[in-house]
Amino acid sequence: QKEVEQNSGPLSVPEGAIASLNCTYSDRGSQSFFWYRQYSGKSPELIMSIYSNGDKEDGRFTAQLNKASQYVSLLIRDSQPSDSATYLCAVWERSYIPTFGRGTSLIVHP
Amino acid sequence: EAQVTQNPRYLITVTGKKLTVTCSQNMNHEYMSWYRQDPGLGLRQIYYSMNVEVTDKGDVPEGYKVSRKEKRNFPLILESPSPNQTSLYFCASRDGYEGQPQHFGDGTRLSIL
Repeated sequence: QKEVEQNSGPLSVPEGAIASLNCTYSDRGSQSFFWYRQYSGKSPELIMSIYSNGDKEDGRFTAQLNKASQYVSLLIRDSQPSDSATYLCAVWERSYIPTFGRGTSLIVHP
Repeated sequence: EAQVTQNPRYLITVTGKKLTVTCSQNMNHEYMSWYRQDPGLGLRQIYYSMNVEVTDKGDVPEGYKVSRKEKRNFPLILESPSPNQTSLYFCASRDGYEGQPQHFGDGTRLSIL
C-alpha cells in the first residue's frame, strides 16, 4: 500500500515568516512530486512540481526533494494571509494512480 | 482559456436514482481521472482513462462507472447512488506524457439522501 504522509496541522505562522510543509512517501519508485494548494471547498491548484533531488524555486515557493530519505517539502517565504489554505502533496510512480497526502492546513496570521 | 468543466456543481438527490456528472476538458489531454474527497481521507482516485475507449479502476471504483467515447469528455455515472457516495468529486486531466501535473475541475458536491 503506497502511502504519502503529511502532518495535518494546522501549521500557524505569522505574516512574513517562512512556512515549511513536509511530506514523506513510501514508494521508492516514485518519480514525480507535486504540491497543490486547496482553499476550502475549492479545487486543488498546482503550486510546484519537482522530479529530481535538490531544490526548485518559483517566486516565494521552494520545493525540496530528497529521494534517499523519501521526503519532499515546500517552503513558502514571506507568507501572506492569502497563503492560508490546505497544501496537498501528490506522488506519482510509474503507474497511473497518484497517491495524495491528506494535506496540511496552513494558517498565516497578520 | 484552458479548463476542466464539471456539471453540475451541486446536486442533492435520493438513493437509487441514477445520475451522471459530466466532465469536459479543452486541452486535448489524453489522461483524465475522477476523484472523491472526503474529510480526513484526502483525495482518492475512482477511475482514470489513458485515452479514448481506455479506462481503468483507481483506488475506490465500487459503485461508479465511467466512459470515454470522446477525448474531451469523461462522465462519471452513479447507477444506483447510496448515501456513502455523498462527497466532493473532482475531475482532472493531464497530458499523457509521464510526470505531467493534473488540472482539476471546480468540483461537484453530491449529496445522496
